[in-house]
Parts: sequence; C-alpha cells; structure tokens
Amino acid sequence: NAGVTQTPKFRILKIGQSMTLQCTQDMNHNYMYWYRQDPGMGLKLIYYSVGAGITDKGEVPNGYNVSRSTTEDFPLRLELAAPSQTSVYFCAIGTDWDEAFFGQGTRLTVV
Amino acid sequence: AQSVTQPDIHITVSEGASLELRCNYSYGATPYLFWYVQSPGQGLQLLLKYFSGDTLVQGIKGFEAEFKRSQSSFNLRKPSVHWSDAAEYFCAVVGRVYSGGGADGLTFGKGTHLIIQP
Repeated sequence: NAGVTQTPKFRILKIGQSMTLQCTQDMNHNYMYWYRQDPGMGLKLIYYSVGAGITDKGEVPNGYNVSRSTTEDFPLRLELAAPSQTSVYFCAIGTDWDEAFFGQGTRLTVV
Repeated sequence: AQSVTQPDIHITVSEGASLELRCNYSYGATPYLFWYVQSPGQGLQLLLKYFSGDTLVQGIKGFEAEFKRSQSSFNLRKPSVHWSDAAEYFCAVVGRVYSGGGADGLTFGKGTHLIIQP
C-alpha cells in the first residue's frame, strides 16, 4: 500500500516545454488535489477533483490542466512551461475535505 | 475567503523544552483546522485536526492543539520537544468548495520553521 505516488521526483524543463506530473493513489479516495509550494509561501491549491470525471479549479490554476479519468490517477499538465512555474508540486488525496494525505512531491525547475 | 496566519517564521527551542506554535485564522463559519508537519524533502504529514467538540485535540507524536474561538486561534503545543521535531509546521483551514468553478479548498499558512537546539 503505497498511498500516494508522484513521479518524477525531480525535473528540469526549458521555457515553453510541456510535461505531465503523475499522481497515482491506491487508497480509493475520491478527493485528489494538486498543490504547489513556493518558499515562504505555504501551499496553494491548483486543481482538485472530487471523483472520476470531475475536476475543478483551485486558487492558482492558470498555466495548468488536469484530468481524472480514473479514481487512481490525477495527472497535472503544464503546456508551456514558464519560470514562474518553478516550484515543488504536491499531490494529495482525501476521503472528503476533512484532511489530505500528501505525496512526496515533485521538484520542478523551469529555465 | 478564509486565511491563516502563522506569525512566527522561525522558532528555536532547546531540546526538552516546551513548544507553542501560533496559528490565527479568519473564517466566517466554524472552521475545520489542521496542523501538518513537513520534514526536509518530504511531503506533509497530518499531526491533528479539529472539527468540533472538545477544543483541546490530541495528535500524533505527542502534539496537541487548542481551538479558541474568541481569539481565532489554533495553537500547537508539545510539552517536551525532541531533536526529531525539527521541521516545518503548517496550520491550515478548510474553506468552501464552489460547484461550477473555484474552490477555497485547504488554505495553508506560510509555515513556521522549528529549530531544535541541543
């Protein structure tokens, strides 16, 4: 039982490139979230999903897209990477809004 | 929208001493409040949460927190810290989710970095 698995752990992108951050869970939780963490800024919600086929914007969705075709997977897509997207990205899961279990994070640098 | 303030960016405590990390929130209704801990290079781990009922909640690793509505606070405490408690601590509040677009979601404070002196 791995809980929440994020891949890759580290990535360097060039400006304008695209990539997908993967998030997979094996706990059958309906809620999944993507957060970004910038130094000294806490975590900000990018997108969330309350179940397969349902996604919605969080506080900072611009520049990102998500999909939720299965309960297990919630990938985060960056289409045109920008330096402002340099951050640590966390995927989290939960049974409701009552708490969240976090993955180990993906450290992304855009140069 | 809700907000969370952690007034202390860094706190240094001697090993074995008591600890209190401050958290103030702003939210119109009864909040759902959380404390998370993040060790270097790791994700966040839930320490404890408050939904309702007893205002003193117990968490893992010997931590507790007290909800004080009159002060809009949810301070985290530990009677005696260990070197392994050195980490970043985040207070968070759950806000509202709006169908059709946007969410307050889980709002985090900016974190308090805890340093343990030997």
